[in-house]
Amino acid sequence: DTEVTQTPKHLVMGMTNKKSLKCEQHMGHRAMYWYKQKAKKPPELMFVYSYEKLSINESVPSRFSPECPNSSLLNLHLHALQPEDSALYLCASSPLSSYNEQFFGPGTRLTVL
Amino acid sequence: RKEVEQDPGPFNVPEGATVAFNCTYSNSASQSFFWYRQDCRKEPKLLMSVYSSGNEDGRFTAQLNRASQYISLLIRDSKLSDSATYLCVVHLRLGYTNSSKLTFGTGTRLQVTL
Repeated sequence: DTEVTQTPKHLVMGMTNKKSLKCEQHMGHRAMYWYKQKAKKPPELMFVYSYEKLSINESVPSRFSPECPNSSLLNLHLHALQPEDSALYLCASSPLSSYNEQFFGPGTRLTVL
Repeated sequence: RKEVEQDPGPFNVPEGATVAFNCTYSNSASQSFFWYRQDCRKEPKLLMSVYSSGNEDGRFTAQLNRASQYISLLIRDSKLSDSATYLCVVHLRLGYTNSSKLTFGTGTRLQVTL
């Protein structure tokens, strides 16, 4: 299995909702990432997990809460989002080696109403 | 100054043409470099790693100049299917966290036409 899967593919939520994005990989990668991508912009790093521990938080607002239950799963819990949080949320994974090629999932397209 | 800079394009070229993309990065501590390709409304996909000695994969050639902090991608004999956004990506290993960070350029849009 050489892919990263993400669910759901699309999500529409109100500003008072609580929802979660899920990401899974079975490549044995010990680093997992969340990125946010707005239209016509490059992906921007949000969080990095290394060996299931949060190692980087790029000053992301607390309404985004990541969780890594085990080495294959990565969640992003969403609460009280704003319309400007609408974007494509990409999960990626990589082996912890010198040259960190990252493999991306297809993303979840989030719309906040 | 942006950490990774690319000409956003678009580059409109006919099939069969050769096209070159350039990229510069600001952090001299960056350790490895990649070109990713992203199709419209899809995720980025790794196209190739970039090495100082230069490397080639079929019609694609990548080059890195560490002294100038400059990365290039050359596409020969362009195909319609090459139409996409090409993202220059710089990797920095963060030793204190045993993790790393990828920084993406804004991407260069390529449109190959008949």
